[in-house]
Amino acid sequence: GAVVSQHPSWVICKSGTSVKIECRSLDFQATTMFWYRQFPKQSLMLMATSNEGSKATYEQGVEKDKFLINHASLTLSTLTVTSAHPEDSSFYICSARPGQDTDTQYFGPGTRLTVL
Amino acid sequence: EDKVVQSPLSLVVHEGDTVTLNCSYEVTNFRSLLWYKQEKKAPTFLFMLTSSGIEKKSGRLSSILDKKELSSILNITATQTGDSAIYLCAVKKGNNRLAFGKGNQVVVIP
Repeated sequence: GAVVSQHPSWVICKSGTSVKIECRSLDFQATTMFWYRQFPKQSLMLMATSNEGSKATYEQGVEKDKFLINHASLTLSTLTVTSAHPEDSSFYICSARPGQDTDTQYFGPGTRLTVL
Repeated sequence: EDKVVQSPLSLVVHEGDTVTLNCSYEVTNFRSLLWYKQEKKAPTFLFMLTSSGIEKKSGRLSSILDKKELSSILNITATQTGDSAIYLCAVKKGNNRLAFGKGNQVVVIP
């Protein structure tokens, strides 16, 4: 149980285009989903927290107009990287929390984005 | 500023050795400490610790939290090559956000 999927697992796009990444909790409802970014040899960096039905809360330094997050249902959150540039190339990971009373987060497998 | 510091950053051991990984933290409104194992892709959950002094075990892995020392250790006994990974320590704060350490990279050689 507690499976989180991400789609696509990898994507290559041209500079200036937008890319959408989906995060789904397959067998539980996730009231909260988190989006992380991982740089090579570095720790995970939290980008934003999204709660179903409300606006995402972005971490300091993360451009909300560039990284659009939508959490339209209890099982789906999307991250759209708009007008992507090569410096946006990274590994993006989402996680989902089943409820408010637990600290446990279940991670998706991640999406490798390469912007040419 | 919240800090989560893991040591050693990397180590190489032989199969059968015991590994002890350390995580120390300075965060506001500590709620819990979590350990993850990261191989090629996203981290997989290992343990969540909230109370001091209570050891959690899963097979050859065990972990314990010391709230007085603001630290936790993760032990791996009788290591196998499949234990090679980055072990991430994360601290859950009162605002429900996780602060991650940089990870302990463990390489187990046959």
